[in-house]
Amino acid sequence: GAVVSQHPSWVICKSGTSVKIECRSLDFQATTMFWYRQFPKQSLMLMATSNEGSKATYEQGVEKDKFLINHASLTLSTLTVTSAHPEDSSFYICSARETREAGEKLFFGSGTQLSVL
Amino acid sequence: DQQVKQNSPSLSVQEGRISILNCDYTNSMFDYFLWYKKYPAEGPTFLISISSIKDKNEDGRFTVFLNKSAKHLSLHIVPSQPGDSAVYFCAASARSGGYNKLIFGAGTRLAVHP
Repeated sequence: GAVVSQHPSWVICKSGTSVKIECRSLDFQATTMFWYRQFPKQSLMLMATSNEGSKATYEQGVEKDKFLINHASLTLSTLTVTSAHPEDSSFYICSARETREAGEKLFFGSGTQLSVL
Repeated sequence: DQQVKQNSPSLSVQEGRISILNCDYTNSMFDYFLWYKKYPAEGPTFLISISSIKDKNEDGRFTVFLNKSAKHLSLHIVPSQPGDSAVYFCAASARSGGYNKLIFGAGTRLAVHP
């Protein structure tokens, strides 16, 4: 099946620094990518939807200036957590969709555990 | 406001027996439901789905039941195998949103023991 590669798997950073997370679709072109965040024992929460070549659509309550999303190509989307703080520590996961179909065509990366000291 | 709820954080089942994972939703606009399975250090993988026009969908050992009036769905795994041990997420989406959004439950950790 389709593969979505997410990198890095783990990142530890100091408060105030920025962290970039990459999400790549390896064997298909992802017209749409989604970024989720999961706090311990909670649901995967959709943060934003990015479409190739256009601005991301952020969910209510997600700061667009803090979580910068770039979807410059059909195979790569990046999430940059700017000026990270301890409360940003979470599990971030991306997913990619090949065509405008329902959920079974949604493929997930393996996630990034961010720890901000 | 959690629109998709999985009220059981964990479930333990003996190998060979049936595993039943439950999911409730509140938004009546949801018309497509999915189950994802997640192993540690991996992303969720699609397992099975059901459209609101059906009340049952079966795929091998996995069956999903949908009760629209109760806004409830369940995933049955029979017979359960140790390799089924994972976290299972229920997710819902709506045609009105172009199926662009998946709303996830918090997950249920299934442990199948010999």
